[in-house]
This record gives sequence, C-alpha cells and structure tokens, in this order.
Amino acid sequence: NAGVTQTPKFRILKIGQSMTLQCAQDMNHNYMYWYRQDPGMGLKLIYYSVGAGITDKGEVPNGYNVSRSTTEDFPLRLELAAPSQTSVYFCASMGAGNTIYFGEGSWLTVV
Amino acid sequence: GENVEQHPSTLSVQEGDSAVIKCTYSDSASNYFPWYKQELGKRPQLIIDIRSNVGEKKDQRIAVTLNKTAKHFSLHITETQPEDSAVYFCAASGMEGSNYKLTFGKGTLLTVNP
Repeated sequence: NAGVTQTPKFRILKIGQSMTLQCAQDMNHNYMYWYRQDPGMGLKLIYYSVGAGITDKGEVPNGYNVSRSTTEDFPLRLELAAPSQTSVYFCASMGAGNTIYFGEGSWLTVV
Repeated sequence: GENVEQHPSTLSVQEGDSAVIKCTYSDSASNYFPWYKQELGKRPQLIIDIRSNVGEKKDQRIAVTLNKTAKHFSLHITETQPEDSAVYFCAASGMEGSNYKLTFGKGTLLTVNP
C-alpha cells in the first residue's frame, strides 16, 4: 500500500491564481480529511468527507472547495489564492481503530 | 464542537530527564485520544493513543494517561533522547452528530539537550 499520496509537494502561486491539491489513498478508507498547518501552529481542519459523494466543512473552509467522486480521491481546490493561504496542507484518511494516516504534505506559497 | 488545549507550548529538557505534556478537552463525548510526533518538515506520525475505557497505556519510554472526569490527558516520555526532539500534538475525537472528527491541540515543541 502506498498509503496517502499528495501532490504536488511544493508549489508557488500568484495572488488570484487557482490550483488543485491532489490526494489519493489506497486503503479503502471512508473518512478523509484536509488540514492546513501554519508555521509554528497546530492542524486546522479545512474539509472532510465520510464517503464518496459526501463532504462537509471543517473549521477553516473559506477559500477552498473539495469533491469526493470516488473513495480513493479527495482533491482540494483553491480558488483565487490569497497570501493567507500560504501554509502546509496535509491530507489524511482514517483507518481501523480511528487511526489517522497523513500524507507527506504540500507546501504552498502564495505571492 | 470540540476544543483541545495543550500545554506547554515549548519544553526544554536535558537528555535522560522526563518530559510531560498535558492536554484538556471540552467535549465529554470524545472517546479517542491520540498523540502525534512531527519532526521538522515531516508529516505527523502517531506515537501512542488511548481510548476512554482505559486510564493509562505504556509503550516503552512513552506513556499516556487519561482522566475522563477532569477531561484531561497527558503524554509522558521518560529517559529522553535527542531524537525525541520534535513537535508533539495531542488530539481528541469522537462522533459529532453522525460524523467522526478529530481536533488537534496547538502542539508542544520539545527540545532534548544532549
């Protein structure tokens, strides 16, 4: 199993541009999450999904959108990027025993 | 929703000493409490967890205790080593309505001085 795979690992965006962070898991997990981590801070939940076709907002959803067309994929869309969205983004999925598996992270800078 | 407070935000110890990190949570319905270690530039990694039907759990030099009445749980690291230096996050989770959610504390930067 590859676990949770995120792409890209690094990206620089200009203000106003849009992009999609890709996330895929091959563990057949129903629950998937997107977190952001600002420098020196904890993890804040952006969006989560309890299964294909079902998504819901987390703590900081503004400026983001998600979709869950399949169990495996959970992309995060940034529309009209702003400097405040400069952060590290982690995708995660939940397995047996409520264990959360994180992807390696995506470092995003908006300039 | 759930709120998790974590203290201290930074902790510096000498190699061989013990380190204790404490967390409190607000939602009495939370029933799963994991601890994650995050090294610089890496993803958080689960190091130990505890469930609400257990008061203490140990794994070699790491232990976690849970007090459900007081709604707090703690991470204890004994005989610390320089490689224990990292940011540690506590979390609390449980069902919110029909959905399962995990809320993190803000983290503790642990530095182990050789």
